[in-house]
Parts: sequence; C-alpha cells; structure tokens
Amino acid sequence: NAGVTQTPKFQVLKTGQSMTLQCAQDMNHEYMSWYRQDPGMGLRLIHYSVGAGITDQGEVPNGYNVSRSTTEDFPLRLLSAAPSQTSVYFCASSSTAGSYEQYFGPGTRLTVT
Amino acid sequence: GDSVTQMEGPVTLSEEAFLTINCTYTATGYPSLFWYVQYPGEGLQLLLKATKADDKGSNKGFEATYRKETTSFHLEKGSVQVSDSAVYFCALSYSSNTGKLIFGQGTTLQVKP
Repeated sequence: NAGVTQTPKFQVLKTGQSMTLQCAQDMNHEYMSWYRQDPGMGLRLIHYSVGAGITDQGEVPNGYNVSRSTTEDFPLRLLSAAPSQTSVYFCASSSTAGSYEQYFGPGTRLTVT
Repeated sequence: GDSVTQMEGPVTLSEEAFLTINCTYTATGYPSLFWYVQYPGEGLQLLLKATKADDKGSNKGFEATYRKETTSFHLEKGSVQVSDSAVYFCALSYSSNTGKLIFGQGTTLQVKP
C-alpha cells in the first residue's frame, strides 16, 4: 500500500498566486486532516474532514480552503498565497476520528516569495 | 485551552547515552498522550502512546509514562543509537472528538558516533 501520498514535494509561489496541494490515501480512512509545520511551533491543524462531504476548520484555517468529494482525496487550496504561508504542509489520515494513530504523508515544502 | 510543552533542543548525545526528552501538558479533560518521530525528509510516525493515567507506552526501546499528578509524559531511552537522530513531538488528543492532535514544538535529537 502507498499509505498517504502528497504532491508536489516542493513548490515555490509568488504572492497572490493560487495552487492546490494534493493528498490521497488508499487505506479507506474516514478521517483526514491538514497540518502546517513551522520552526519552533510544532504542527498546527488547518482543516480536517470526518468523511466525504464533511469538512471543518482547525486552529489556523485562514487563507486555505478544502473539500472532500471522495474518501481517498483531500486537497488543500491556497486561493491567494502570502509569504506567511511559507511552511511545510502535512496531510494525515486515520480510520476513525477517535483513532489513536494518524498516518502522515511525506509533506510538501511551500515557499511564497 | 489545551497545550503541550517540550524541552527545547537540539539535544546532542553520544551513542549509547541515556535519553530523556521532557514533555508536560495542560488539558481540560482526560486526553490520550503520544510521541511522534520525524526522521529527516519524512512525515511523522507514531512512536508510542498512552491512553490513561499511569499507562506506560513503549516501542523500539523508547518508553514514556502518563503521569497525571505531574501532567507529564517524558520520553526515555536507555541507550541511543545514531539512527535515533530525528525530531520528536509530544502530542495529546481526545478520542471523543475529531481526533485533533495538539503538538508540542518538537525536540531535535542528534546522536553522534
């Protein structure tokens, strides 16, 4: 199994550009989430989904949109990139919202200039 | 609100040294506690967990005990190896809600031969 996959691995954007970070999992997990990792701040939750068609905001949702049309995919959209969104983004999934183990993808390193 | 605090790094040890990484938490309820590890260039992996007070989680020679009286979950290993070099994250979660993980800031461990 591939587990949780993310594309692209690296991306450089100019301020104001838009893009979508892709996340897919092949474990039939209901729960998926997006985190951003910044130096000295650990990981912070951006958005999460408890199933297809259901999404909600996390701790730092501003500037990001998500949708969940299938169980497998959970893309993260940046509508108008800002330098403050320079970060490493991780997608994670688990079999239920209350599951103890979340499986993380390898991450996308985004730089906004 | 809930939070997790870890000792600042980097922690630099010689091979076979004893490791302790301190983690304390503030919680409004009764969370489960976790240690995740991030090897260079990879996503996070669950290292160990404890779901209630006095539980001890263990894996790959690492241990941590859920201490409610001191609100701590310190990570220990008796003899570290170069391959243990990584970033270690302490985290908490409530199984009754969305499964959101609240992370500490991470501690970098460097083990020298």
